[in-house]
Amino acid sequence: DIVLTQSPALAVSLGQRATISCRASQSVSTSSYNLMHWYQQKPGEQPKLLIYDASNLASGIPVRFSGSGSGTDFTLTINPVQADDIATYYCQQSRELPPTFGSGTKLEIK
Amino acid sequence: QVQLKESGPVLVQASETLSLTCTVSGFSLTNYGVIWVRQPPGKGLEWMGIIWRNGNTDYNSALKSRLSINRDTSKSQVFLKMNSLQTDDTAIYYCTRVRINYGSYYFDYWGQGVMVTVSS
Repeated sequence: DIVLTQSPALAVSLGQRATISCRASQSVSTSSYNLMHWYQQKPGEQPKLLIYDASNLASGIPVRFSGSGSGTDFTLTINPVQADDIATYYCQQSRELPPTFGSGTKLEIK
Repeated sequence: QVQLKESGPVLVQASETLSLTCTVSGFSLTNYGVIWVRQPPGKGLEWMGIIWRNGNTDYNSALKSRLSINRDTSKSQVFLKMNSLQTDDTAIYYCTRVRINYGSYYFDYWGQGVMVTVSS
């Protein structure tokens, strides 16, 4: 299985940039696609799709969210961070079955 | 609009079988797959299994011997059955729609989840 590694937590100040990383144990990119996706889960809620195929914003997601990366290293950026962004963020790959998730990065406010 | 809703028992005895239903609306199960994901309290997301739009299934290898997923397309329902439950199967169980985009797939709509507690 492809293992996705995320830092457990990140603390940022409101209005600043948050950079959340996800590293895969092997490449999750093809010649055409970067098969990494990002989800946001607020406390007590179900996850919500933020970014698909590494850099495409899902429907209804604010433009302060963006994604980048290829191969094994991917980044979710939130700029500027707002209070409503307090959540845990998960990466997920679809390069191979099973579609594994990272362990999540909890975004906290300084 | 697209909706998914999980239903089933919230308390199950250890060694018994869990049966959950995911009722979908706003899309057809012949056009989209559905995946089951679970989340133990305070922990991360674990993929359980998927039923693709053609009806084929794939399972998490760690659960494969205990798990089955099938569907009734006429009722827009997907069913999860998992036997021999243990206390570490206590979790929120989500069903989510699988969006296939050319060579990629991801999970674009999620149900609200159902908290299942396994009692010893």
